[in-house]
Amino acid sequence: RKEVEQDPGPFNVPEGATVAFNCTYSNSASQSFFWYRQDCRKEPKLLMSVYSSGNEDGRFTAQLNRASQYISLLIRDSKLSDSATYLCVVTADRGSTLGRLYFGRGTQLTVWP
Amino acid sequence: GAVVSQHPSWVICKSGTSVKIECRSLDFQATTMFWYRQFPKQSLMLMATSNEGSKATYEQGVEKDKFLINHASLTLSTLTVTSAHPEDSSFYICSARDEGPPYEQYFGPGTRLTVT
Repeated sequence: RKEVEQDPGPFNVPEGATVAFNCTYSNSASQSFFWYRQDCRKEPKLLMSVYSSGNEDGRFTAQLNRASQYISLLIRDSKLSDSATYLCVVTADRGSTLGRLYFGRGTQLTVWP
Repeated sequence: GAVVSQHPSWVICKSGTSVKIECRSLDFQATTMFWYRQFPKQSLMLMATSNEGSKATYEQGVEKDKFLINHASLTLSTLTVTSAHPEDSSFYICSARDEGPPYEQYFGPGTRLTVT
């Protein structure tokens, strides 16, 4: 079983739509959780960390359910520039990307005008 | 934020030849760097953890004699793909771990390797 499982999509949505991505992880000892964004043929870039209480950064909201080992990302008011692959990432290290990261295969999002 | 560079950004080589990829932390020192590989539509898979001044730690299934890693300084790690085969064609990405606050892991821009 893979460490991190994601719905690969693709998700094709119009500008202004709200879209949600889900992710599950298998290691209950995982401590830190992140969403990364990866553009085509580029390196992944940190989008946001995910906290147990849920957290929001502008149009992006992340949620974590430790009991279900489930992570989500909600994007509101989608922009064309949001088109990318979104990677769910977990690590056993607390509070940072200090150590080994486990990546999901990513969910592809295309926002059309 | 911190910057990690990789060189080359892309390379095409013939089967049987060796290719060296460099990963540099430009404005911070990194005792630890990580090498990942990503095949099309797949997730990033950790190949090895590179430790400055000591041997790299390879993940299960990664041949250490084929993927040679050298981390000779606090700002440079190299990955050499020896006797490359077409199945080694992939996107190779390194990351470097900042030794000071905020202790984050920063990714290089990747190297696209095509073996013909």
